[in-house]
Amino acid sequence: GAVVSQHPSRVICKSGTSVKIECRSLDFQATTMFWYRQFPKQSLMLMATSNEGSKATYEQGVEKDKFLINHASLTLSTLTVTSAHPEDSSFYICSAGGGKRQETQYFGPGTRLLVL
Amino acid sequence: DAKTTQPPSMDCAEGRAANLPCNHSTISGNEYVYWYRQIHSQGPQYIIHGLKNNETNEMASLIITEDRKSSTLILPHATLRDTAVYYCIVRDYAGNMLTFGGGTRLMVKP
Repeated sequence: GAVVSQHPSRVICKSGTSVKIECRSLDFQATTMFWYRQFPKQSLMLMATSNEGSKATYEQGVEKDKFLINHASLTLSTLTVTSAHPEDSSFYICSAGGGKRQETQYFGPGTRLLVL
Repeated sequence: DAKTTQPPSMDCAEGRAANLPCNHSTISGNEYVYWYRQIHSQGPQYIIHGLKNNETNEMASLIITEDRKSSTLILPHATLRDTAVYYCIVRDYAGNMLTFGGGTRLMVKP
């Protein structure tokens, strides 16, 4: 299957700071990338849909000014958690699809964020 | 809301076939059935997908009923490493978002 990477895999930060998470599609050009969040013992919840070259579409209840998404190229999308609070601690996962991978989305390994 | 219903948990003996059911009674004609699994603390892994014909790949087989209202994912010889949460998802081919339900937590036991 296709390879999608995320960086960092794990991050600990202080409350009030910003954290950037990168999502890269390594072997295909992803026209669409998705960002999910997963709290312990829960399923994945979609946060936003990111299309290359355009503004992201956020799901209801997700603050666009707090979770900044940039999809500047066909292989890279970034999620920035601004002014992080302890309740933002979660497992953030991206997925990518499109191009020659139109049929299927492939997921990154996830980034575990802990805000102290 | 997820359009699928799965049992919350299942056990399977190592080496035996694991049959994971999924109900999707409101599936529409242009929607595919996708299966992913998530091993603890990892991102979901694509397994297989199908429209109406049965499908098989190196990981699993997907059996879709003729009326397409339900399907079964079959892991022919389960190993301990197949212990994971398995998600059955329906979505259209256009590549829209995946909506995850609760999934089935499969425990493969020695």
